[in-house]
Amino acid sequence: QQQVKQSPQSLIVQKGGISIINCAYENTAFDYFPWYQQFPGKGPALLIAIRPDVSEKKEGRFTISFNKSAKQFSLHIMDSQPGDSATYFCAASIDTNAGKSTFGDGTTLTVKP
Amino acid sequence: DAGVTQSPTHLIKTRGQQVTLRCSPISGHKSVSWYQQVLGQGPQFIFQYYEKEERGRGNFPDRFSARQFPNYSSELNVNALLLGDSALYLCASSPGTQNTGELFFGEGSRLTVL
Repeated sequence: QQQVKQSPQSLIVQKGGISIINCAYENTAFDYFPWYQQFPGKGPALLIAIRPDVSEKKEGRFTISFNKSAKQFSLHIMDSQPGDSATYFCAASIDTNAGKSTFGDGTTLTVKP
Repeated sequence: DAGVTQSPTHLIKTRGQQVTLRCSPISGHKSVSWYQQVLGQGPQFIFQYYEKEERGRGNFPDRFSARQFPNYSSELNVNALLLGDSALYLCASSPGTQNTGELFFGEGSRLTVL
């Protein structure tokens, strides 16, 4: 049973455009929702994270939108750049224990110049 | 400061063999977690260790085991390897097990089972 569902599987965006990746979760006990960026041959790296007491968090060009009632959260990348081309994973955990996270299956983002 | 380091980076084994993967966490981090990442999928949680004690186990068979040493480094052991064990094995560290903040991943050990 997959507890975190991520979409789309792949995404192609023009340079300067907005990239949007969505995730839905099932377990209402989840209380920490990070997004990770992974480049080929590297481990995932934390991009931005949110807790359910806020509906939006912005860091630079990256924004998380969180909808607790719908059990959904999304990542928005504004002004997408070719250097943003990577695989993005959403995740969720309980007791903000990031070490015991449930991950989505990833979205491969390609930003065309 | 050194990040999370894992060894070996790549290894090839045959079915039925055993493998040991090693991880050194970031200095000061007491929690180490292991994840399996099959090609095209997200990381799947295997184990979390904190202060040398197992704090969580994912849905993996008993062929998978781990331990944490007094210096907080960790080993993941997989016995009786199957073809399906071929994956990238990721180690991640964090300061603790609650309000952990950022989880730091190593670059992984790529295991190929023939």
